[in-house]
Amino acid sequence: ETGVTQSPTHLIKTRGQQVTLRCSSQSGHNTVSWYQQALGQGPQFIFQYYREEENGRGNFPPRFSGLQFPNYSSELNVNALELDDSALYLCASSPGQSGNTIYFGEGSWLTVV
Amino acid sequence: AQSVTQLGSHVSVSEGALVLLRCNYSSSVPPYLFWYVQYPNQGLQLLLKYTSAATLVKGINGFEAEFKKSETSFHLTKPSAHMSDAAEYFCAVSDLDSNYQLIWGAGTKLIIKP
Repeated sequence: ETGVTQSPTHLIKTRGQQVTLRCSSQSGHNTVSWYQQALGQGPQFIFQYYREEENGRGNFPPRFSGLQFPNYSSELNVNALELDDSALYLCASSPGQSGNTIYFGEGSWLTVV
Repeated sequence: AQSVTQLGSHVSVSEGALVLLRCNYSSSVPPYLFWYVQYPNQGLQLLLKYTSAATLVKGINGFEAEFKKSETSFHLTKPSAHMSDAAEYFCAVSDLDSNYQLIWGAGTKLIIKP
């Protein structure tokens, strides 16, 4: 158990719809990052939030957006879903940056049909 | 730019045999290096981490890895494989240049033969 919880665990959406994934970080962790892991591939960095501000972004289009709340929990929003968005979405938290270990949740499996 | 290369998308060893999973990285500044394991349909679990202290790092489940700067490598080993070690293993690097974002290898699937 890492103390990072994600919801929902599985969901199915239709192409063009919008989805919100949620993450509760480990207690005391002020940094949250999101990753997309397609089947059979390694995680791809989407973005990171530190104290409610986005402070890093990977190569994902603007329809991928996020929020971090004062309690450091976070949301990942994806608009205009495409079939290729089908993947495992992983949230990870850490107590700051500077090479601290990040702890992953179990992920949210998104299937776009 | 930072990168991580894991040699071999699949590695197959017999139960009880030595496990060696290879990871090479590129980084122009001192890196932090990680190995994570992912069991089927689960999230990522930290195995071990190098943070510029001892070059030989011991992790959970009997795994260890050695940081070799001259070879830019951080290979993962375990003396004796167990059936429960079957999983996918990911090597990752982070450093100041990447703003400490994790850069991941493509992963190596470890298969244990009975």
